[in-house]
Amino acid sequence: DTGVSQNPRHKITKRGQNVTFRCDPISEHNRLYWYRQTLGQGPEFLTYFQNEAQLEKSRLLSDRFSAERPKGSFSTLEIQRTEQGDSAMYLCASSFFLREGRGTDTQYFGPGTRLTVL
Amino acid sequence: DAKTTQPPSMDCAEGRAANLPCNHSTISGNEYVYWYRQIHSQGPQYIIHGLKNNETNEMASLIITEDRKSSTLILPHATLRDTAVYYCIVRVASTGFQKLVFGTGTRLLVSP
Repeated sequence: DTGVSQNPRHKITKRGQNVTFRCDPISEHNRLYWYRQTLGQGPEFLTYFQNEAQLEKSRLLSDRFSAERPKGSFSTLEIQRTEQGDSAMYLCASSFFLREGRGTDTQYFGPGTRLTVL
Repeated sequence: DAKTTQPPSMDCAEGRAANLPCNHSTISGNEYVYWYRQIHSQGPQYIIHGLKNNETNEMASLIITEDRKSSTLILPHATLRDTAVYYCIVRVASTGFQKLVFGTGTRLLVSP
């Protein structure tokens, strides 16, 4: 399977604990995105990387959230001191961006990690 | 990004064509129309995208009106597995970064 993979698929944690999710993008995709989806809503953008550089962050990404993509391949999303409001599906997507005016930078999504904070 | 308007829900009989409309009256000349779908508890799945010409792939067809203010996603022979939420998104492609802005989509129910 050469699609985007995410681990774990499900995570249950207690309020105040730290959690970390991993995303492995499609091979050779240079852009990687994180989205969050709460029940009944469409996904909302959190942040994205081009190679190892984090280039944009949403205001949704509070100080308790941190994302890394150290070698420009896989990425991790950490949530510190989790709160019940963090319960959501965390989605990762990847795309290949060549350069301005070339290609359409289509994003492909992984299966998501469902976080439940008790 | 231009906003889109979709009906909240639609029904379709198995084997029939499902035609999902989307209005994007404020779309700009350099914005593409993208369609994704999300089956329950899974990540969004890319379906198709287009700029101004009609597009077809193995999953669906995309019909864009001449004025580009609306489009229709066509699933030619809907199956039960096509039951999902379908999102219509407009975005500029290949220009810097463009996040996907999802609305609430259309919930398509395919029945036997």
